Amino acid sequence: DAKTTQPPSMDCAEGRAANLPCNHSTISGNEYVYWYRQIHSQGPQYIIHGLKNNETNEMASLIITEDRKSSTLILPHATLRDTAVYYCIVRSDLKTSYDKVIFGPGTSLSVIP
Amino acid sequence: EAGVAQSPRYKIIEKRQSVAFWCNPISGHATLYWYQQILGQGPKLLIQFQNNGVVDDSQLPKDRFSAERLKGVDSTLKIQPAKLEDSAVYLCASSFGTAGAGGYEQYFGPGTRLTVT
Repeated sequence: DAKTTQPPSMDCAEGRAANLPCNHSTISGNEYVYWYRQIHSQGPQYIIHGLKNNETNEMASLIITEDRKSSTLILPHATLRDTAVYYCIVRSDLKTSYDKVIFGPGTSLSVIP
Repeated sequence: EAGVAQSPRYKIIEKRQSVAFWCNPISGHATLYWYQQILGQGPKLLIQFQNNGVVDDSQLPKDRFSAERLKGVDSTLKIQPAKLEDSAVYLCASSFGTAGAGGYEQYFGPGTRLTVT
């Protein structure tokens, strides 16, 4: 079973911020939160990852709660090209640990004109 | 920088036939993954290699699926014999696999869409 839960679908108006939540209440101290997205008929694309601090890159921002039990991926100005399935996964970063990588069903984001 | 390459992009075979998929990861990436993605579901990890060694193949149906990563670079995934339920997209991904500060972000290829009739 996936270690994360996400809403199955969300809508967002074009130009507005898209806030995608992810619950990972059983996350352990050495596990990072990773986000990927998959546009129709393409392979998944890496977006961002973080441990406990908020992170930002050219694609998105990642906000992780202080207790690390949940996070939010923010697309600041959603465009139609952001319509995709978004996956949140957690995995360990320890050299001695090869966590099973588990993708859940993700959140299907529809950006509406 | 070249991305993850996969071939073929599409394959149609009859049940009980065999099929092989090829993956060339990003140069320098030590970790390689094969996933199966059935329509409407998230990718399911089949096997994970660290260099040329297997670190996780717990979800690989070993009676019909096999994979190898010779010399720690290219990899092939084979199905023999194929069943109807093997119809899916087979994705290959790679990552640096370096411990510390992440390093496990995965870069995916375009996938191979397999149809078993």
